[in-house]
Amino acid sequence: QITLKESGSTLVKPTQTLTLTCTFSTNGVGVGWIRQPPGKALEWLALIYWDDDKRYSPSLKSRLTITKDTSKNQAVLTMTNMDPVDTGTYYCAQPQTPGTLDIWGQGTKVTVSS
Amino acid sequence: DIVMTQSPLSLPVTLGQPASISCRSSQSLVYSDGNAYLNWFHQRPGQSPRRLIYKVSNRASGVPDRFSGSGSGTDFTLKISRVEAEDVGIYYCMQGTHWPYTFGQGTKLEIK
Repeated sequence: QITLKESGSTLVKPTQTLTLTCTFSTNGVGVGWIRQPPGKALEWLALIYWDDDKRYSPSLKSRLTITKDTSKNQAVLTMTNMDPVDTGTYYCAQPQTPGTLDIWGQGTKVTVSS
Repeated sequence: DIVMTQSPLSLPVTLGQPASISCRSSQSLVYSDGNAYLNWFHQRPGQSPRRLIYKVSNRASGVPDRFSGSGSGTDFTLKISRVEAEDVGIYYCMQGTHWPYTFGQGTKLEIK
């Protein structure tokens, strides 16, 4: 059974940098990060393929960095200059084939507050 | 960005009755390989989303056959033949054809 688990900062102050790690049990074609503000819809953040092709949400590109460490079965997302509007649940998810998300992590709640 | 528009946003359904959710994209979702990468996800309260359908009409592993997907181009539909209590939650369509991939606003299904 394929599993993914998010870990990292749960409470960050405005202007600080958020760092989240996704640890997965097996490789798919890559790892994606998606977030969900409280009571709102899902929003794509970034996607990294195992050939190191990286995709970012255009509206957040300047703040995001996604990297991978395949030796550790991990993908890391950093988001700079955090703001209270960035509060929400952050999910990592894994496509086993392109264009979809087969498996999702349990999500990690991030709160941005001073 | 491609805009995914779902309707209705709220869907009260009687147990055992069918349900249907529409998802329309602002551009065709047909990729150069001929596939349309249109997905449906279900999110129960307090849980992560779970994939139901990929490439328009393919049921994900373990998904009951009362769920079906159809459509082409820019118009897509998720149908539940007979709603069960466990089907409550929010349903999202997502296009994985054009980056940035985008989700619909979500449709909340509740039992009448």
